Amino acid sequence: AQTVTQSQPEMSVQEAETVTLSCTYDTSESDYYLFWYKQPPSRQMILVIRQEAYKQQNATENRFSVNFQKAAKSFSLKISDSQLGDAAMYFCAYRRRSGGGADGLTFGKGTHLIIQP
Amino acid sequence: NAGVTQTPKFRVLKTGQSMTLLCAQDMNHEYMYWYRQDPGMGLRLIHYSVGEGTTAKGEVPDGYNVSRLKKQNFLLGLESAAPSQTSVYFCASSYSRRFTDTQYFGPGTRLTVL
Repeated sequence: AQTVTQSQPEMSVQEAETVTLSCTYDTSESDYYLFWYKQPPSRQMILVIRQEAYKQQNATENRFSVNFQKAAKSFSLKISDSQLGDAAMYFCAYRRRSGGGADGLTFGKGTHLIIQP
Repeated sequence: NAGVTQTPKFRVLKTGQSMTLLCAQDMNHEYMYWYRQDPGMGLRLIHYSVGEGTTAKGEVPDGYNVSRLKKQNFLLGLESAAPSQTSVYFCASSYSRRFTDTQYFGPGTRLTVL
């Protein structure tokens, strides 16, 4: 079974600075998808960015980018120019591409991101 | 579009009581999911459905049952609630399994079992 590990329970960054959240995963699959979700205090799960494992190019979405290292099974999230609205829990998630077995996302335990004004 | 809605938003049960959580989506999605989120944990998959009339077990299915009688609705049932089922429950849906099809999440239901 696949597992997702987020080793940083909490991170703090000054507003306007850059922060990187770490994520590692373990899988025997060769093709899969990786995601970062944001959960603000409202509890709503919001997709931040996603990456296909077969694509070597790192995904970017405005101020958010990832560093995907397939061999190391690492998928970190970089937030540039941090804003107060970025304060939230961030979850790394994995999903196998092929069918069969349980579908759905496998989540890490999350990193609580604090933005200091 | 309302997206994914969940009913109720909050509920308190006594041990042994039963209840049903309703998830509804108006996006014509084929896939629907139920997750639970416990303190200090990410979401864990309980059950999922790949289409009307079909359901399958996820990572933590024990103590729960589900039904998908209509494409837009996915029900999660607790027949005999236990304190270990105290959690926040999220429903999600997606059009397909394709990478480009995002899982959209509902706002969650906070359930407390005394």
